[in-house]
Amino acid sequence: DIQMTQSPSSVSASVGDRVTITCRASQGVSNWLVWYQQKPGKAPKFLFFAAPHLQSGVPSRFSGSGSGTDFTLTISSLQPEDYATYYCQQANNFPPTFGGGTRVEIK
Amino acid sequence: EVQLVQSGAEVKEPGKSLRISCKGSGYNFTNYWISWVRQMPGKGPEWMGRIDPSDSYSNYRPSFQGHVTISVDKSISTAYLQWSSLKASDTAMYYCARGDYEFDFWGQGTLVIVSS
Repeated sequence: DIQMTQSPSSVSASVGDRVTITCRASQGVSNWLVWYQQKPGKAPKFLFFAAPHLQSGVPSRFSGSGSGTDFTLTISSLQPEDYATYYCQQANNFPPTFGGGTRVEIK
Repeated sequence: EVQLVQSGAEVKEPGKSLRISCKGSGYNFTNYWISWVRQMPGKGPEWMGRIDPSDSYSNYRPSFQGHVTISVDKSISTAYLQWSSLKASDTAMYYCARGDYEFDFWGQGTLVIVSS
Protein backbone atom coordinates (compact mmCIF):
# COMPACT_ATOMS: atom_id res chain seq x y z
CA ASP A 1 0.00 0.00 0.00
CA ILE A 2 1.09 3.58 -0.64
CA GLN A 3 1.79 5.38 2.63
CA MET A 4 0.62 8.98 2.88
CA THR A 5 2.46 11.18 5.37
CA GLN A 6 1.13 14.59 6.35
CA SER A 7 2.94 17.34 8.16
CA PRO A 8 2.54 18.96 10.51
CA SER A 9 0.16 16.76 12.48
CA SER A 10 -1.31 19.91 13.99
CA VAL A 11 -0.91 23.64 13.54
CA SER A 12 -2.14 26.55 15.63
CA ALA A 13 -2.98 29.64 13.64
CA SER A 14 -4.94 32.85 13.92
CA VAL A 15 -7.72 34.14 11.69
CA GLY A 16 -6.10 35.72 8.64
CA ASP A 17 -2.95 33.60 8.80
CA ARG A 18 -1.60 31.66 5.85
CA VAL A 19 -1.52 27.93 6.53
CA THR A 20 0.33 25.33 4.50
CA ILE A 21 -0.08 21.58 4.91
CA THR A 22 2.14 19.08 3.17
CA CYS A 23 1.44 15.53 2.09
CA ARG A 24 4.03 13.06 0.88
CA ALA A 25 3.34 9.76 -0.84
CA SER A 26 5.66 6.78 -0.48
CA GLN A 27 5.60 6.42 -4.27
CA GLY A 28 4.40 8.56 -7.14
CA VAL A 29 0.66 9.08 -7.53
CA SER A 30 0.76 11.50 -10.50
CA ASN A 31 -1.93 14.13 -9.81
CA TRP A 32 -4.32 11.66 -8.21
CA LEU A 33 -4.28 13.28 -4.81
CA VAL A 34 -7.44 14.44 -3.05
CA TRP A 35 -7.85 16.78 -0.10
CA TYR A 36 -10.68 16.46 2.42
CA GLN A 37 -11.82 18.62 5.31
CA GLN A 38 -13.34 17.06 8.42
CA LYS A 39 -14.98 18.93 11.26
CA PRO A 40 -15.61 17.29 14.66
CA GLY A 41 -18.49 14.84 14.58
CA LYS A 42 -18.92 15.18 10.82
CA ALA A 43 -18.00 13.13 7.79
CA PRO A 44 -15.01 14.15 5.67
CA LYS A 45 -15.87 16.63 2.93
CA PHE A 46 -14.28 16.45 -0.52
CA LEU A 47 -12.34 19.66 -1.22
CA PHE A 48 -10.51 19.07 -4.50
CA PHE A 49 -7.87 17.20 -6.41
CA ALA A 50 -4.23 18.19 -6.08
CA ALA A 51 -4.17 21.01 -8.55
CA PRO A 52 -5.27 23.08 -10.30
CA HIS A 53 -8.88 21.89 -10.19
CA LEU A 54 -11.21 23.46 -7.72
CA GLN A 55 -14.37 21.76 -6.59
CA SER A 56 -17.45 23.86 -7.09
CA GLY A 57 -18.21 25.75 -3.91
CA VAL A 58 -14.73 25.59 -2.39
CA PRO A 59 -13.58 29.09 -1.41
CA SER A 60 -10.75 30.50 -3.48
CA ARG A 61 -8.57 30.92 -0.38
CA PHE A 62 -7.96 27.16 -0.64
CA SER A 63 -5.38 26.06 -3.19
CA GLY A 64 -3.38 22.96 -3.89
CA SER A 65 -0.19 22.14 -5.70
CA GLY A 66 2.17 19.30 -6.38
CA SER A 67 2.44 16.11 -8.35
CA GLY A 68 4.22 12.80 -8.03
CA THR A 69 5.04 12.40 -4.38
CA ASP A 70 4.87 15.87 -2.82
CA PHE A 71 1.74 17.96 -2.43
CA THR A 72 0.63 21.02 -0.51
CA LEU A 73 -2.67 22.47 0.58
CA THR A 74 -2.63 26.19 1.30
CA ILE A 75 -5.23 28.32 3.01
CA SER A 76 -4.27 31.86 2.10
CA SER A 77 -6.23 33.65 4.83
CA LEU A 78 -7.59 31.39 7.54
CA GLN A 79 -11.24 31.92 8.40
CA PRO A 80 -13.12 30.71 11.53
CA GLU A 81 -14.95 28.05 9.53
CA ASP A 82 -11.64 26.57 8.35
CA TYR A 83 -10.71 25.17 11.74
CA ALA A 84 -10.85 21.45 11.05
CA THR A 85 -8.71 18.41 10.30
CA TYR A 86 -7.46 18.04 6.75
CA TYR A 87 -6.65 14.73 5.11
CA CYS A 88 -4.90 13.89 1.87
CA GLN A 89 -5.72 10.69 0.01
CA GLN A 90 -4.08 9.08 -2.99
CA ALA A 91 -6.47 7.93 -5.70
CA ASN A 92 -3.88 6.46 -8.07
CA ASN A 93 -3.23 2.98 -6.71
CA PHE A 94 -5.29 0.21 -5.16
CA PRO A 95 -6.15 0.42 -2.33
CA PRO A 96 -6.83 4.14 -1.93
CA THR A 97 -5.04 5.37 1.20
CA PHE A 98 -5.34 8.42 3.45
CA GLY A 99 -2.85 10.46 5.38
CA GLY A 100 -2.99 10.72 9.15
CA GLY A 101 -4.43 14.21 9.09
CA THR A 102 -3.44 17.76 9.99
CA ARG A 103 -5.48 19.45 12.67
CA VAL A 104 -5.80 23.22 12.24
CA GLU A 105 -6.45 24.73 15.63
CA ILE A 106 -7.24 28.22 16.90
CA LYS A 107 -4.24 30.10 18.23
CA GLU B 1 -29.21 17.04 -4.06
CA VAL B 2 -26.95 14.02 -3.67
CA GLN B 3 -27.43 12.34 -0.29
CA LEU B 4 -26.16 9.20 1.37
CA VAL B 5 -28.11 8.40 4.51
CA GLN B 6 -26.78 5.74 6.84
CA SER B 7 -28.49 3.65 9.48
CA GLY B 8 -28.20 4.50 13.15
CA ALA B 9 -25.64 3.70 15.80
CA GLU B 10 -25.28 0.11 16.96
CA VAL B 11 -24.07 -1.49 20.18
CA LYS B 12 -23.33 -5.18 19.84
CA GLU B 13 -21.61 -7.93 21.79
CA PRO B 14 -18.51 -9.65 20.43
CA GLY B 15 -19.35 -12.58 18.19
CA LYS B 16 -22.67 -11.13 17.07
CA SER B 17 -23.56 -10.30 13.49
CA LEU B 18 -24.42 -6.85 12.18
CA ARG B 19 -25.48 -5.17 8.96
CA ILE B 20 -25.47 -1.41 8.48
CA SER B 21 -26.93 0.41 5.51
CA CYS B 22 -26.39 3.39 3.24
CA LYS B 23 -29.22 4.74 1.06
CA GLY B 24 -28.38 6.96 -1.88
CA SER B 25 -30.63 9.57 -3.40
CA GLY B 26 -30.45 12.54 -5.73
CA TYR B 27 -28.43 10.78 -8.43
CA ASN B 28 -28.44 7.62 -10.54
CA PHE B 29 -27.37 5.11 -7.88
CA THR B 30 -26.09 2.54 -10.38
CA ASN B 31 -23.71 5.01 -12.06
CA TYR B 32 -21.31 5.31 -9.12
CA TRP B 33 -19.44 2.89 -6.92
CA ILE B 34 -20.12 2.95 -3.19
CA SER B 35 -17.15 2.58 -0.84
CA TRP B 36 -17.03 1.92 2.88
CA VAL B 37 -14.50 3.72 5.05
CA ARG B 38 -13.57 3.05 8.66
CA GLN B 39 -12.40 5.75 11.01
CA MET B 40 -11.16 4.86 14.46
CA PRO B 41 -11.10 7.52 17.17
CA GLY B 42 -8.42 10.12 16.53
CA LYS B 43 -7.20 8.37 13.38
CA GLY B 44 -7.34 8.99 9.66
CA PRO B 45 -9.94 7.31 7.47
CA GLU B 46 -9.19 3.81 6.18
CA TRP B 47 -10.75 2.52 2.97
CA MET B 48 -12.30 -0.92 3.45
CA GLY B 49 -13.83 -1.90 0.14
CA ARG B 50 -16.29 -0.91 -2.58
CA ILE B 51 -19.13 -2.17 -4.68
CA ASP B 52 -20.44 -1.38 -8.13
CA PRO B 53 -24.22 -1.13 -7.70
CA SER B 54 -24.83 -1.86 -11.39
CA ASP B 55 -23.58 -5.45 -11.17
CA SER B 56 -22.76 -5.98 -7.46
CA TYR B 57 -19.05 -6.50 -8.21
CA SER B 58 -17.04 -5.77 -5.08
CA ASN B 59 -13.46 -5.73 -3.92
CA TYR B 60 -11.77 -5.21 -0.60
CA ARG B 61 -8.65 -3.97 1.07
CA PRO B 62 -6.79 -7.22 1.89
CA SER B 63 -6.85 -6.53 5.63
CA PHE B 64 -10.68 -6.50 5.56
CA GLN B 65 -11.19 -9.35 3.08
CA GLY B 66 -13.05 -12.19 4.73
CA HIS B 67 -14.06 -10.18 7.78
CA VAL B 68 -16.69 -7.94 6.23
CA THR B 69 -19.07 -8.26 3.29
CA ILE B 70 -20.29 -5.42 1.12
CA SER B 71 -23.55 -5.89 -0.74
CA VAL B 72 -26.14 -3.80 -2.53
CA ASP B 73 -29.83 -3.76 -3.37
CA LYS B 74 -30.06 -1.48 -6.36
CA SER B 75 -33.87 -1.68 -6.39
CA ILE B 76 -33.88 0.44 -3.24
CA SER B 77 -30.57 2.30 -3.88
CA THR B 78 -29.03 0.88 -0.73
CA ALA B 79 -25.60 -0.52 0.02
CA TYR B 80 -24.72 -2.61 3.03
CA LEU B 81 -21.72 -3.45 5.17
CA GLN B 82 -21.99 -6.57 7.28
CA TRP B 83 -20.07 -8.60 9.79
CA SER B 84 -20.82 -12.22 10.68
CA SER B 85 -18.81 -12.16 13.91
CA LEU B 86 -17.92 -8.83 15.46
CA LYS B 87 -14.77 -8.18 17.45
CA ALA B 88 -14.08 -5.48 19.98
CA SER B 89 -11.54 -4.06 17.53
CA ASP B 90 -14.40 -3.35 15.09
CA THR B 91 -15.48 -0.47 17.32
CA ALA B 92 -15.29 2.58 15.07
CA MET B 93 -17.20 5.06 12.94
CA TYR B 94 -18.10 3.69 9.53
CA TYR B 95 -18.85 5.89 6.54
CA CYS B 96 -20.19 5.08 3.13
CA ALA B 97 -18.97 7.32 0.34
CA ARG B 98 -19.70 7.69 -3.35
CA GLY B 99 -16.80 6.69 -5.56
CA ASP B 100 -14.22 4.02 -6.18
CA TYR B 101 -10.92 5.86 -5.80
CA GLU B 102 -12.03 9.36 -4.80
CA PHE B 103 -15.05 10.13 -2.69
CA ASP B 104 -17.15 13.17 -3.46
CA PHE B 105 -20.15 12.57 -1.20
CA TRP B 106 -20.24 10.87 2.18
CA GLY B 107 -22.88 9.51 4.49
CA GLN B 108 -23.21 10.93 7.97
CA GLY B 109 -21.53 7.89 9.54
CA THR B 110 -22.66 4.94 11.63
CA LEU B 111 -21.01 4.42 15.01
CA VAL B 112 -20.50 0.76 15.83
CA ILE B 113 -19.59 -0.17 19.40
CA VAL B 114 -18.65 -3.75 20.15
CA SER B 115 -18.58 -4.48 23.85
CA SER B 116 -19.60 -7.19 26.24
